[in-house]
Amino acid sequence: GAGVSQSPRYKVAKRGQDVALRCDPISGHVSLFWYQQALGQGPEFLTYFQNEAQLDKSGLPSDRFFAERPEGSVSTLKIQRTQQEDSAVYLCASSLNRDLYGYTFGSGTRLTVV
Amino acid sequence: GENVEQHPSTLSVQEGDSAVIKCTYSDSASNYFPWYKQELGKGPQLIIDIRSNVGEKKDQRIAVTLNKTAKHFSLHITETQPEDSAVYFCAATAQGGSEKLVFGKGMKLTVNP
Repeated sequence: GAGVSQSPRYKVAKRGQDVALRCDPISGHVSLFWYQQALGQGPEFLTYFQNEAQLDKSGLPSDRFFAERPEGSVSTLKIQRTQQEDSAVYLCASSLNRDLYGYTFGSGTRLTVV
Repeated sequence: GENVEQHPSTLSVQEGDSAVIKCTYSDSASNYFPWYKQELGKGPQLIIDIRSNVGEKKDQRIAVTLNKTAKHFSLHITETQPEDSAVYFCAATAQGGSEKLVFGKGMKLTVNP
């Protein structure tokens, strides 16, 4: 597609539920990023893939967060046993070459944990 | 690690005025500084970026300046229009050459017709 696609757009989870958020990057983009954006804040880095390799996961807040990109295209961010503090917008971005083109962000998934 | 501070947090201008957003960063090894515009319900959109070997860059009504010595960079928007109303974020690489970005907290710009 023309842009980065994320699904679902909105997700309401009961505390303790597991959720899976999907990202379809721009075709051919080798780099894929997940960011978390709390209300009124800037995005915060979670993890980075180059093709299928997860090169940096230093931003994942706990071992309840897990991301994968098994075939180097679509990525899934999974959050186990969701807690209220996980409520945020989860943004996915992809890049062909950051220094030349920067990132392209998707519209995000708004997760609300009740 | 890298820390990016952005100010002001809100700015209201009249259509046609200029707007300036300032950011500072802490890591002298940072070498890439993008600016993003985020409209309600959308993801951030890259509007301009600058690398550490350049002091200024312009693209139509927007320009970015970088002062490596002082570790600050600014976004300038001239002849503002109502459609410029959005939240603007500055960002910097956490480490020189790293892929991940550290963002400021954002500035809400309102352009009044």
